[in-house]
Amino acid sequence: GIQVEQSPPDLILQEGANSTLRCNFSDSVNNLQWFHQNPWGQLINLFYIPSGTKQNGRLSATTVATERYSLLYISSSQTTDSGVYFCAVEAWDYKLSFGAGTTVTVRA
Amino acid sequence: DTEVTQTPKHLVMGMTNKKSLKCEQHMGHRAMYWYKQKAKKPPELMFVYSYEKLSINESVPSRFSPECPNSSLLNLHLHALQPEDSALYLCASSLQGEQETQYFGPGTRLLVL
Repeated sequence: GIQVEQSPPDLILQEGANSTLRCNFSDSVNNLQWFHQNPWGQLINLFYIPSGTKQNGRLSATTVATERYSLLYISSSQTTDSGVYFCAVEAWDYKLSFGAGTTVTVRA
Repeated sequence: DTEVTQTPKHLVMGMTNKKSLKCEQHMGHRAMYWYKQKAKKPPELMFVYSYEKLSINESVPSRFSPECPNSSLLNLHLHALQPEDSALYLCASSLQGEQETQYFGPGTRLLVL
């Protein structure tokens, strides 16, 4: 199956800082989603972004499908941004495969 | 409304018990999914239903039995589980299936004693 690698595995930020999370994948994809999992386990959709760039408030994402990577940008981070960020991709098998996640901790 | 609901939120069961997890969505989605997530790991796909028919079974043990009674409802029947089956069970749905946004429910935290 497709391999999905996320970096860094852990990220500690001071409130107000900016950061970039990366997702590399090993094959062509039909679907790429970024999720935020809060401490209670809820997976929240951030972006559906198989290609191109999208922005939603302080978050934006870019996927370069030809180079097989996606980036998630968090600007002016807040303590509520803490949690695990997952990249998930769907390849030829139509199954959503998740990366291992990036654990973000934002300190006040 | 992009809400998927799951009940119960928490479940504790013995290895000889039979229980069921329930998932519901009223977004008109025709694809529904069960995922299993162990602590500090990513979710792993278990089953996919497309138009109320099982389309993907990721070689899940038979002690997990999915059921899709109608297009809005997805159940996961549990029987004779093992302690290693303790996990967060997540349900998701999407409009028709492939190449679409999946929306996840809040999950059921299962503990098998």
